[in-house]
Amino acid sequence: NAGVTQTPKFQVLKTGQSMTLQCAQDMNHNSMYWYRQDPGMGLRLIYYSASEGTTDKGEVPNGYNVSRLNKREFSLRLESAAPSQTSVYFCASSRRNLGTNNPEAFFGQGTRLTVV
Amino acid sequence: GDSVTQMEGPVTLSEEAFLTINCTYTATGYPSLFWYVQYPGEGLQLLLKATKADDKGSNKGFEATYRKETTSFHLEKGSVQVSDSAVYFCALMDSSYKLIFGSGTRLLVRP
Repeated sequence: NAGVTQTPKFQVLKTGQSMTLQCAQDMNHNSMYWYRQDPGMGLRLIYYSASEGTTDKGEVPNGYNVSRLNKREFSLRLESAAPSQTSVYFCASSRRNLGTNNPEAFFGQGTRLTVV
Repeated sequence: GDSVTQMEGPVTLSEEAFLTINCTYTATGYPSLFWYVQYPGEGLQLLLKATKADDKGSNKGFEATYRKETTSFHLEKGSVQVSDSAVYFCALMDSSYKLIFGSGTRLLVRP
């Protein structure tokens, strides 16, 4: 039972390059999230997927796209990387128990991305 | 939109001192509230949670009470240890399962 797995752990990109950050969870959770963490800014929500087949914008979606491939996987794509996207990216997942309201979120270990 | 506001850090305390980290929120409806902790180089771990008004979440000596009348969820611990040094995040989840975090508060505990 690995929890939430993110790949890669580290990545350096040149400005204008594209890449996809991968996230997978094995907890049968319905909801998944992508955040970026910058010094002094806390965690800012990029996109989230409340359930398989749905995605919604968060606080800072510009420059990113997401795909909820199936219930387990939620990927984040940078089509044309910019230095402002240098950050640590975290994926998270949460179960949804309608009626019990127990939506604890579990996090991956993060991806440190540098755009030069 | 929804938002979470935390006191700025760093908060520097001596071992065995009392800790309070303030958190207030803005949301429609009745969100669930959380405190997460992040140790250096790691992801976030859930510390405690409360899902309705007047609930008290507690874990590892930390406590927070969901106060709807003041829209607050302040984190407290009676006696901090050096091992509590970390960054603490207050968060809310609304009815659409959107999970929003505050900016984090760094806690430094000196021996």
